[in-house]
Amino acid sequence: ETGVTQTPRHLVMGMTNKKSLKCEQHLGHNAMYWYKQSAKKPLELMFVYSLEERVENNSVPSRFSPECPNSSHLFLHLHTLQPEDSALYLCASSQDRQTTYEQYFGPGTRLTVT
Amino acid sequence: AQSVTQLDSQVPVFEEAPVELRCNYSSSVSVYLFWYVQYPNQGLQLLLKYLSGSTLVKGINGFEAEFNKSQTSFHLRKPSVHISDTAEYFCAVSVHNAGNMLTFGGGTRLMVKP
Repeated sequence: ETGVTQTPRHLVMGMTNKKSLKCEQHLGHNAMYWYKQSAKKPLELMFVYSLEERVENNSVPSRFSPECPNSSHLFLHLHTLQPEDSALYLCASSQDRQTTYEQYFGPGTRLTVT
Repeated sequence: AQSVTQLDSQVPVFEEAPVELRCNYSSSVSVYLFWYVQYPNQGLQLLLKYLSGSTLVKGINGFEAEFNKSQTSFHLRKPSVHISDTAEYFCAVSVHNAGNMLTFGGGTRLMVKP
């Protein structure tokens, strides 16, 4: 595998379910990001991790819980979601977060909350 | 805080015609500027970026963009488009010395017709 991979690619879950999104980067980067892409809205940055420490949390509801066990893996744990949380969730990585390096994006997980 | 406006949500154009996708930004401090492309069912891919130096930036796939500080614009252009250029295009900014944090515009869907 190369680049940034995300699993699953599609996920349908009920409002009472608990699920997790997984992101893995094979680029040796030190920073990882979660974005939310909703229809008719700009991409929203949710979380930023640098060297496995969370450095940004843009007022994201607590029903979204990120986890970064090492610099190659990033998870987004989901519980008691709302229908308005249905969106494409994109993971990205960059060499670090202090310098303006290119962010490399994964293909995304299309989440539908029923 | 900074913001990005992409005035056109959709741009239809015939194959081999020129195209310009408009991007304006607002920021009280200096910014770096980016254009990303998203093909169907894929993540975002960097087309080009302006960090400093020449205001005319050339990117991949024959695209170029010009940074105009006085008009706070960073329009994307291609002299002759192909069917394969059909995609969503996103303009983004990050602020100098504020970490690698991107603020995205709402996106422009380029539709190339035969």
